[in-house]
Amino acid sequence: DQQVKQNSPSLSVQEGRISILNCDYTNSMFDYFLWYKKYPAEGPTFLISISSIKDKNEDGRFTVFLNKSAKHLSLHIVPSQPGDSAVYFCAASAGGSTLGRLYFGRGTQLTVWP
Amino acid sequence: NAGVTQTPKFQVLKTGQSMTLQCAQDMNHEYMSWYRQDPGMGLRLIHYSVGAGITDQGEVPNGYNVSRSTTEDFPLRLLSAAPSQTSVYFCASREGTEAFFGQGTRLTVV
Repeated sequence: DQQVKQNSPSLSVQEGRISILNCDYTNSMFDYFLWYKKYPAEGPTFLISISSIKDKNEDGRFTVFLNKSAKHLSLHIVPSQPGDSAVYFCAASAGGSTLGRLYFGRGTQLTVWP
Repeated sequence: NAGVTQTPKFQVLKTGQSMTLQCAQDMNHEYMSWYRQDPGMGLRLIHYSVGAGITDQGEVPNGYNVSRSTTEDFPLRLLSAAPSQTSVYFCASREGTEAFFGQGTRLTVV
């Protein structure tokens, strides 16, 4: 049973606009959340994370929002650029950020067109 | 500093053959793991290790063995390859908040 769900397999956005990628989770013990980005033929790379004690974390064009009551998080990319086209994975862990198992969603393919 | 290195990058096996996927990291991370990525399935955890001499099963461990004799290396063994094991395999190491992934091994079992 998937504990981390990304219900949109794909998203297409025009360059310069906002991209919003969504993620839902079912396990209330999750307390650390991460987003990974993956280009074809490469391994996933870490993008941004958020602890459950926060509801927002920002890093440049990337912002992650966490709504604990809804068990929902989202990644906002503003402005979107063609180089952002990749698969984005949401991940979650329990028991703090260190050494906890990471549970991944199935990914969302983001395409940013000029 | 090479990060996480996986070999080989590509491999074709016949059903029933065995092989070992190699993974090495030079960051002195205690936590290492193996994932497989299949279309529409995301990243699924096969096995993981929280330190040398300690391994445990993930979501999809059947058909795979691991060992962790050193901090640096975490090989994944396919005992008798099956077509269902055709996938892209990623090794990752982790210390703290983020995992570092290797480039992946694309395995085809025919």
